[in-house]
Amino acid sequence: SAVISQKPSRDICQRGTSLTIQCQVDSQVTMMFWYRQQPGQSLTLIATANQGSEATYESGFVIDKFPISRPNLTFSTLTVSNMSPEDSSIYLCSVAVDRSYGYTFGSGTRLTVV
Amino acid sequence: DAKTTQPPSMDCAEGRAANLPCNHSTISGNEYVYWYRQIHSQGPQYIIHGLKNNETNEMASLIITEDRKSSTLILPHATLRDTAVYYCIVRGTGNQFYFGTGTSLTVIP
Repeated sequence: SAVISQKPSRDICQRGTSLTIQCQVDSQVTMMFWYRQQPGQSLTLIATANQGSEATYESGFVIDKFPISRPNLTFSTLTVSNMSPEDSSIYLCSVAVDRSYGYTFGSGTRLTVV
Repeated sequence: DAKTTQPPSMDCAEGRAANLPCNHSTISGNEYVYWYRQIHSQGPQYIIHGLKNNETNEMASLIITEDRKSSTLILPHATLRDTAVYYCIVRGTGNQFYFGTGTSLTVIP
């Protein structure tokens, strides 16, 4: 399975600012996914990031709030823009290298907005 | 949207088998069932998956009913380190995973 490095692992940010989260994979992958996990909740899919095309967002998530970049097959970023305390969550990236083994998840970025 | 239903919580005695049920009554013929678990503050970890046949690996066994409308994840000898939230996910021909609410398993000494 793939090894994912996600940065930063945690951050505390002021409301109104933006934070960019990086996801680096040790092998080339076609599709990368970004999830949000609010405190005490399950994971919610934010968007699918394909290299060379615009990200596809799930209902309730918009590009202006969560812009995503996918410059190559091993890297993606998710930006949380104009943050409010409601954005305090764990953000995780995920990839599928081999469909036989499902998806591998990063360790997540724990974001606290104050 | 999640296509699975799981009990919110379960307890299991250490050393005993943990049997975690999942209902996926709307599953279609080409959709796989995946199981993941999430230990506190970590990313979800793959456990096992299957389509029609029962599956076993070093971590667990997956039993899928003949009509494929439900499945059971079996941890044969639960340890304290198996305490986690367990997610049953139905993956279709698309590539997205939609997580349900999961089952919080507590292994009791």
